[in-house]
This record gives sequence, C-alpha cells and structure tokens, in this order.
Amino acid sequence: GDSVTQMEGPVTLSEEAFLTINCTYTATGYPSLFWYVQYPGEGLQLLLKATKADDKGSNKGFEATYRKETTSFHLEKGSVQVSDSAVYFCALSDQLTGGGNKLTFGTGTQLKVEL
Amino acid sequence: GAVVSQHPSRVICKSGTSVKIECRSLDFQATTMFWYRQFPKQSLMLMATSNEGSKATYEQGVEKDKFLINHASLTLSTLTVTSAHPEDSSFYICSANQGAVETEAFFGQGTRLTVV
Repeated sequence: GDSVTQMEGPVTLSEEAFLTINCTYTATGYPSLFWYVQYPGEGLQLLLKATKADDKGSNKGFEATYRKETTSFHLEKGSVQVSDSAVYFCALSDQLTGGGNKLTFGTGTQLKVEL
Repeated sequence: GAVVSQHPSRVICKSGTSVKIECRSLDFQATTMFWYRQFPKQSLMLMATSNEGSKATYEQGVEKDKFLINHASLTLSTLTVTSAHPEDSSFYICSANQGAVETEAFFGQGTRLTVV
C-alpha cells in the first residue's frame, strides 16, 4: 500500500538557518504530494503541493520538488524564522488507490526555531 | 480559505462512557469528510470516510460499532467513540474537501481524547 516516510524530529535550528525536512514515498499509482503544517493549537493547513513529476510547490519561502526518480518530496527553506516553529507533515493522495481525496501522512516532523 | 471547525478540542471521559466529536464545515458544503486518528509520534491514520446521507466507509481494522460516524447534513459529521477504553485515548482530526476530486483538504483543529 501507499506510505510516506519523513525524518524524525524534533529539528532545532537557529533563526536564518537553512531547513531541509526529508520525505520519501511509495505509491501504487500516480500520487499528488503535499506538505501540511500544524501550528500549536491549530489544525493542519496546506503549505504546498505538487501534482506531477518535476513540479515544484512553493509558499511562504518553503519549496519542495516532486522527484519521481528518487520518490522524494523534500521540504526546504533558505532562512527559517521563529514563526516557522510548527509540526510539518508530508502526505500523498493516490488517485488510483485512494480515490483522489484520501491522504496518507508521514509521522510529522516538529521544527523548533530559536533566536 | 475554507474553515472546518471541530468540537470539543479536548475531552476527558470515564472508561465505558461514549464521547461524540463534531466536525463542521462552516462556509462550504462537504459531501465527504474524513476522520483520522493520531497516536503519539505516529502518522495520522485514516479511520473512515464519512458520506453525507449514506453509510461511512471504514478502513481496514477500524471497528464500525466502536467508532460510529453520522453525516446527516452537508456541513456536519459526527464521530462517536462508544464504550471508550483507555486505549482509545488519542488525537482525532477531521477534514473536508471543498469540491470534487483532488481539491485542497481543510482540517479541523483536532480533538484530544483521554479516557480514564
């Protein structure tokens, strides 16, 4: 079945540091890939997405590229801020097996950014 | 973006009692909503797909009689944990899509259930 693997946290960085959170996936069909973010006390929010190979999703300085050859969708940001502290979830939806709207999530990676 | 409201955010109940969690789409209609469960340091696991006006579709291994889902209107789905036990303690979260296939999912704030 479909699965998503992402790096364990917590990840602790200093403000303005470079961020990478690794995410790899396995899927039967042709998945769409997502990064969701959960700020403390809030629900998950879509951060960015990519629907086909080589697409790059970007938002709020974050970006991730859909790499079919390595089945990866790593999240990056060049300069993190304290306000980026949150839990980040990598997810996929597989049109073939999931009907398009079901999401398969990774375990989440907590990011802590310090001054 | 669209708003999904989930209530309550936290609940503590005694073993053997039932707990109802509500999920509402506040500014859009959702024919389908999804219920997830998250254990500490684990993924959000899809429990069931809630379908307005029909029976929910449960994922393999999820007890239908234990986790009752009702989707009586286009803006409300409820999850009732029946005869709760400490092992049911978890974080439950719902989502709804504002439209057809491959649209963005909007999530509720989640409910932290503790069974004592």
